[in-house]
Amino acid sequence: KNEVEQSPQNLTAQEGEFITINCSYSVGISALHWLQQHPGGGIVSLFMLSSGKKKHGRLIATINIQEKHSSLHITASHPRDSAVYICAVPVSNFGNEKLTFGTGTRLTIIP
Amino acid sequence: EAQVTQNPRYLITVTGKKLTVTCSQNMNHEYMSWYRQDPGLGLRQIYYSMNVEVTDKGDVPEGYKVSRKEKRNFPLILESPSPNQTSLYFCASSFTGLGSYGYTFGSGTRLTVV
Repeated sequence: KNEVEQSPQNLTAQEGEFITINCSYSVGISALHWLQQHPGGGIVSLFMLSSGKKKHGRLIATINIQEKHSSLHITASHPRDSAVYICAVPVSNFGNEKLTFGTGTRLTIIP
Repeated sequence: EAQVTQNPRYLITVTGKKLTVTCSQNMNHEYMSWYRQDPGLGLRQIYYSMNVEVTDKGDVPEGYKVSRKEKRNFPLILESPSPNQTSLYFCASSFTGLGSYGYTFGSGTRLTVV
């Protein structure tokens, strides 16, 4: 079983729709990261959160530590939101917390 | 501008020809790490460095070497590349190796070994 699982793997939606991407993890963590990878390949860090909720523009990330679950929401989705969204958690590894990644959710927003 | 700079962006090489992918950060971060990304497998850690002269293996270190002689630079060395090392590579840095700090990623290096 993967330590980090994302759903769905692929998501296609119409412009304007409310988007939810889910991430579940099986280990105790200090924080969870949401990343965005554009078609060009570059990776950008969107959020790092250890509790509650964070908001940046139309993006909202929530985390429930007890349930080991996080969600990334996009309100009023736009074609420029089309990207792969990746969640990552630091897993303790002999004193080093290395990032372990989900396999990503490919989001396509149709105009 | 705070950034992680990787070079080259694209590289096609032949089996067995040694190559180096450079990574440099200007944020005085202690932690640096290399990842490879393959379809269906996601991002996997190759090597990481907690600080100067401190490096350790990640999940998939075979066929790779690294060094950390200066805080800002963390090159990835493929002594004898093979086709199974064809992949998209990312360097990343963070203030420390603890996951409670944000990460900055380089733009990626797409490597093809023929």
